[in-house]
Amino acid sequence: DTGVSQDPRHKITKRGQNVTFRCDPISEHNRLYWYRQTLGQGPEFLTYFQNEAQLEKSRLLSDRFSAERPKGSFSTLEIQRTEQGDSAMYLCASSRDRISSGNTIYFGEGSWLTVV
Amino acid sequence: DQQVKQNSPSLSVQEGRISILNCDYTNSMFDYFLWYKKYPAEGPTFLISISSIKDKNEDGRFTVFLNKSAKHLSLHIVPSQPGDSAVYFCAASAGGGSNYKLTFGKGTLLTVNP
Repeated sequence: DTGVSQDPRHKITKRGQNVTFRCDPISEHNRLYWYRQTLGQGPEFLTYFQNEAQLEKSRLLSDRFSAERPKGSFSTLEIQRTEQGDSAMYLCASSRDRISSGNTIYFGEGSWLTVV
Repeated sequence: DQQVKQNSPSLSVQEGRISILNCDYTNSMFDYFLWYKKYPAEGPTFLISISSIKDKNEDGRFTVFLNKSAKHLSLHIVPSQPGDSAVYFCAASAGGGSNYKLTFGKGTLLTVNP
Protein backbone atom coordinates (compact mmCIF):
# COMPACT_ATOMS: atom_id res chain seq x y z
CA ASP A 1 0.00 0.00 0.00
CA THR A 2 1.62 3.23 -1.19
CA GLY A 3 -0.55 5.78 0.55
CA VAL A 4 -2.81 8.44 -0.88
CA SER A 5 -2.09 9.08 -4.54
CA GLN A 6 -2.96 12.26 -6.45
CA ASP A 7 -2.81 13.07 -10.14
CA PRO A 8 -1.66 15.27 -11.75
CA ARG A 9 0.93 16.66 -9.37
CA HIS A 10 1.12 19.92 -11.28
CA LYS A 11 -1.31 21.64 -13.61
CA ILE A 12 -1.01 24.98 -15.36
CA THR A 13 -4.17 26.16 -17.03
CA LYS A 14 -5.53 29.29 -18.63
CA ARG A 15 -8.23 31.23 -16.87
CA GLY A 16 -11.65 29.98 -17.87
CA GLN A 17 -10.58 26.41 -18.56
CA ASN A 18 -11.81 23.40 -16.61
CA VAL A 19 -9.48 21.17 -14.63
CA THR A 20 -9.95 17.83 -12.91
CA PHE A 21 -7.87 16.25 -10.18
CA ARG A 22 -7.96 12.60 -9.20
CA CYS A 23 -7.31 11.04 -5.81
CA ASP A 24 -6.83 7.38 -4.93
CA PRO A 25 -7.10 6.91 -1.18
CA ILE A 26 -5.43 4.29 0.95
CA SER A 27 -7.25 1.06 0.27
CA GLU A 28 -9.99 0.21 2.78
CA HIS A 29 -10.17 3.82 3.96
CA ASN A 30 -13.83 4.67 3.73
CA ARG A 31 -13.40 8.37 4.44
CA LEU A 32 -11.94 10.74 1.86
CA TYR A 33 -11.29 14.46 2.18
CA TRP A 34 -10.29 17.37 -0.04
CA TYR A 35 -8.38 20.33 1.37
CA ARG A 36 -6.90 23.41 -0.26
CA GLN A 37 -3.71 25.17 0.75
CA THR A 38 -2.60 28.59 -0.41
CA LEU A 39 0.72 30.27 0.25
CA GLY A 40 1.27 31.16 3.89
CA GLN A 41 -1.85 29.35 5.06
CA GLY A 42 -2.58 25.98 6.54
CA PRO A 43 -4.74 23.48 4.67
CA GLU A 44 -8.42 24.41 4.59
CA PHE A 45 -11.21 21.86 4.52
CA LEU A 46 -13.23 21.68 1.30
CA THR A 47 -15.32 18.54 1.39
CA TYR A 48 -15.66 15.05 2.85
CA PHE A 49 -16.96 11.69 1.65
CA GLN A 50 -17.92 8.66 3.62
CA ASN A 51 -17.85 5.87 1.08
CA GLU A 52 -19.64 7.34 -1.97
CA ALA A 53 -21.71 9.87 -0.04
CA GLN A 54 -20.59 13.49 0.06
CA LEU A 55 -21.53 14.50 3.60
CA GLU A 56 -20.12 17.99 3.98
CA LYS A 57 -19.13 20.86 1.73
CA SER A 58 -17.29 23.95 2.92
CA ARG A 59 -18.41 27.44 2.00
CA LEU A 60 -15.06 27.63 0.18
CA LEU A 61 -16.47 25.22 -2.39
CA SER A 62 -18.23 27.50 -4.83
CA ASP A 63 -20.64 26.31 -7.51
CA ARG A 64 -17.71 26.00 -9.91
CA PHE A 65 -16.31 23.17 -7.82
CA SER A 66 -17.67 19.64 -7.88
CA ALA A 67 -16.36 16.52 -6.23
CA GLU A 68 -17.40 12.94 -6.73
CA ARG A 69 -16.49 9.57 -5.34
CA PRO A 70 -18.23 6.96 -7.46
CA LYS A 71 -18.34 3.50 -5.92
CA GLY A 72 -16.63 4.79 -2.81
CA SER A 73 -13.13 4.32 -4.19
CA PHE A 74 -11.22 7.07 -6.03
CA SER A 75 -12.44 10.65 -6.07
CA THR A 76 -12.32 13.51 -8.56
CA LEU A 77 -12.37 17.24 -7.92
CA GLU A 78 -13.37 19.35 -10.90
CA ILE A 79 -13.04 23.11 -11.13
CA GLN A 80 -14.99 24.75 -13.92
CA ARG A 81 -14.18 28.14 -15.45
CA THR A 82 -11.01 28.48 -13.41
CA GLU A 83 -10.04 31.84 -11.93
CA GLN A 84 -6.64 33.07 -10.80
CA GLY A 85 -7.83 32.85 -7.20
CA ASP A 86 -8.15 29.09 -7.64
CA SER A 87 -4.36 28.79 -7.80
CA ALA A 88 -3.44 26.62 -4.83
CA MET A 89 -2.35 23.16 -3.76
CA TYR A 90 -5.28 20.77 -3.64
CA LEU A 91 -4.75 18.06 -1.07
CA CYS A 92 -6.57 14.78 -0.84
CA ALA A 93 -6.61 12.74 2.36
CA SER A 94 -8.18 9.59 3.66
CA SER A 95 -8.86 7.84 6.94
CA ARG A 96 -10.25 4.51 8.05
CA ASP A 97 -12.78 5.99 10.40
CA ARG A 98 -13.54 9.13 12.32
CA ILE A 99 -10.64 11.19 13.62
CA SER A 100 -9.50 9.74 16.97
CA SER A 101 -6.59 8.01 18.59
CA GLY A 102 -5.49 5.30 16.21
CA ASN A 103 -7.43 6.76 13.28
CA THR A 104 -5.72 9.74 11.81
CA ILE A 105 -5.95 11.42 8.43
CA TYR A 106 -3.26 10.68 5.87
CA PHE A 107 -2.58 13.19 3.12
CA GLY A 108 -1.45 12.75 -0.43
CA GLU A 109 1.36 14.79 -1.97
CA GLY A 110 -1.05 17.33 -3.40
CA SER A 111 -1.90 18.71 -6.83
CA TRP A 112 -0.53 22.15 -7.60
CA LEU A 113 -2.82 24.30 -9.72
CA THR A 114 -1.61 27.48 -11.38
CA VAL A 115 -4.18 29.54 -13.28
CA VAL A 116 -2.63 32.04 -15.69
CA ASP B 1 -11.91 33.85 12.85
CA GLN B 2 -8.81 31.74 13.27
CA GLN B 3 -9.57 28.91 15.67
CA VAL B 4 -6.06 27.43 15.63
CA LYS B 5 -3.17 29.83 15.93
CA GLN B 6 0.52 29.32 15.49
CA ASN B 7 1.90 32.71 16.40
CA SER B 8 5.52 32.05 15.47
CA PRO B 9 5.94 31.98 11.69
CA SER B 10 9.48 30.68 12.05
CA LEU B 11 11.92 29.14 14.52
CA SER B 12 15.64 28.48 14.21
CA VAL B 13 17.55 26.09 16.49
CA GLN B 14 20.93 24.41 16.57
CA GLU B 15 21.30 20.74 15.82
CA GLY B 16 21.08 18.67 19.00
CA ARG B 17 19.09 21.27 20.92
CA ILE B 18 15.39 21.23 21.73
CA SER B 19 12.81 22.67 19.34
CA ILE B 20 9.55 23.87 20.88
CA LEU B 21 6.67 24.71 18.59
CA ASN B 22 3.57 26.28 20.07
CA CYS B 23 -0.09 26.27 19.16
CA ASP B 24 -3.15 27.96 20.70
CA TYR B 25 -6.79 27.26 20.01
CA THR B 26 -10.01 29.03 20.78
CA ASN B 27 -12.71 26.41 20.15
CA SER B 28 -13.44 24.56 23.39
CA MET B 29 -15.12 21.79 21.36
CA PHE B 30 -11.77 20.63 20.00
CA ASP B 31 -10.89 17.33 21.63
CA TYR B 32 -8.21 15.85 19.42
CA PHE B 33 -5.02 17.52 18.27
CA LEU B 34 -2.45 16.56 15.67
CA TRP B 35 0.88 17.78 14.41
CA TYR B 36 1.86 17.48 10.78
CA LYS B 37 5.20 18.14 9.12
CA LYS B 38 5.36 19.47 5.57
CA TYR B 39 8.20 19.80 3.12
CA PRO B 40 7.84 22.18 0.15
CA ALA B 41 5.70 20.84 -2.70
CA GLU B 42 4.64 17.80 -0.66
CA GLY B 43 1.57 16.95 1.34
CA PRO B 44 1.52 17.08 5.16
CA THR B 45 2.93 14.04 6.95
CA PHE B 46 1.36 12.98 10.24
CA LEU B 47 3.75 13.20 13.21
CA ILE B 48 1.97 12.78 16.50
CA SER B 49 -1.42 13.36 18.08
CA ILE B 50 -3.02 13.77 21.47
CA SER B 51 -6.51 13.34 22.82
CA SER B 52 -7.97 15.89 25.20
CA ILE B 53 -8.12 13.25 27.94
CA LYS B 54 -4.33 13.27 28.08
CA ASP B 55 -1.80 15.98 28.77
CA LYS B 56 1.23 14.36 27.19
CA ASN B 57 2.03 11.96 24.39
CA GLU B 58 5.49 10.84 23.41
CA ASP B 59 6.83 9.13 20.30
CA GLY B 60 10.57 8.88 20.01
CA ARG B 61 12.07 12.34 19.71
CA PHE B 62 8.64 13.96 19.53
CA THR B 63 6.49 14.87 22.53
CA VAL B 64 3.24 16.79 22.48
CA PHE B 65 1.95 18.56 25.59
CA LEU B 66 -1.61 19.73 26.02
CA ASN B 67 -2.79 22.35 28.51
CA LYS B 68 -6.56 22.38 28.19
CA SER B 69 -7.17 25.16 30.66
CA ALA B 70 -4.89 27.45 28.66
CA LYS B 71 -6.08 26.03 25.32
CA HIS B 72 -2.45 25.56 24.42
CA LEU B 73 -0.38 22.74 23.04
CA SER B 74 3.27 22.40 22.17
CA LEU B 75 5.47 20.04 20.21
CA HIS B 76 8.92 19.29 21.58
CA ILE B 77 11.60 17.78 19.35
CA VAL B 78 14.66 16.48 21.18
CA PRO B 79 17.31 16.34 19.88
CA SER B 80 16.66 18.42 16.81
CA GLN B 81 18.20 17.24 13.54
CA PRO B 82 18.75 19.08 10.24
CA GLY B 83 16.25 16.71 8.60
CA ASP B 84 13.59 18.13 10.91
CA SER B 85 13.71 21.39 8.97
CA ALA B 86 10.20 21.82 7.56
CA VAL B 87 6.91 23.61 8.17
CA TYR B 88 5.01 22.21 11.15
CA PHE B 89 1.23 22.49 11.29
CA CYS B 90 -0.93 22.15 14.34
CA ALA B 91 -4.42 20.80 13.63
CA ALA B 92 -7.50 20.20 15.74
CA SER B 93 -10.70 18.23 15.48
CA ALA B 94 -13.97 18.58 17.35
CA GLY B 95 -15.81 15.51 18.52
CA GLY B 96 -19.30 14.38 17.82
CA GLY B 97 -20.71 15.21 14.42
CA SER B 98 -17.68 17.26 13.41
CA ASN B 99 -15.12 14.52 13.89
CA TYR B 100 -14.32 14.42 10.20
CA LYS B 101 -12.76 17.86 9.80
CA LEU B 102 -9.35 19.18 10.75
CA THR B 103 -8.78 22.88 11.40
CA PHE B 104 -5.17 23.88 10.79
CA GLY B 105 -2.97 26.69 11.99
CA LYS B 106 -0.86 28.65 9.52
CA GLY B 107 2.27 26.70 10.33
CA THR B 108 5.72 27.37 11.78
CA LEU B 109 8.84 27.03 9.65
CA LEU B 110 11.49 25.20 11.66
CA THR B 111 15.10 25.49 10.59
CA VAL B 112 17.64 23.26 12.31
CA ASN B 113 21.17 24.49 11.72
CA PRO B 114 24.06 22.00 11.63
